[in-house]
Amino acid sequence: EAGVTQSPTHLIKTRGQQATLRCSPISGHTSVYWYQQALGLGLQFLLWYDEGEERNRGNFPPRFSGRQFPNYSSELNVNALELEDSALYLCASSRRENYSPLHFGNGTRLTVT
Amino acid sequence: AQSVTQPDIHITVSEGASLELRCNYSYGATPYLFWYVQSPGQGLQLLLKYFSGDTLVQGIKGFEAEFKRSQSSFNLRKPSVHWSDAAEYFCAVGARETGNQFYFGTGTSLTVIP
Repeated sequence: EAGVTQSPTHLIKTRGQQATLRCSPISGHTSVYWYQQALGLGLQFLLWYDEGEERNRGNFPPRFSGRQFPNYSSELNVNALELEDSALYLCASSRRENYSPLHFGNGTRLTVT
Repeated sequence: AQSVTQPDIHITVSEGASLELRCNYSYGATPYLFWYVQSPGQGLQLLLKYFSGDTLVQGIKGFEAEFKRSQSSFNLRKPSVHWSDAAEYFCAVGARETGNQFYFGTGTSLTVIP
């Protein structure tokens, strides 16, 4: 079974630009989650998608947005990049049933210069 | 509000020594609990999970955790640590009432001394 895949592995952008991060969930998983892991801040919840709809979002500004496609893959878009957006962005997927644990990808390292 | 606290930011143990990583949660509903491990530059790997039943759960890599409702705790333990256990450990909590909304602690970094 293929795991959660994220692309690109690394992404370097300059301040003010836009970044697009991609995630493919495990086959059979309909929920996708995005987390930001900045140095020393643990995992900060960004977004949760299920069946193509946004179910919840964390305490992040609107320039963080995303979507989920019919095949359950997902994109995270970050507009007007700021230096503090530099972080590891982790995607996770799960089955829709309650108690289903999250399965994580290896993340995209975003560096904003 | 839901929260997960990992009081220890960093722990150092000698190889072969026992380990306990603490996790406390604040949750009004019936929680389900997880421990994850993250090696440098990698994603998170599930170590173990607790939903209901026996409060002592076994996981991969020789880890176990005990759910104590009275203390709102879910501490992770290992009887004998190996050098390869050096990593970041995260406790997470979810609840049926909020579907699959998960909350993570800030993590505990484990260093293993040879």
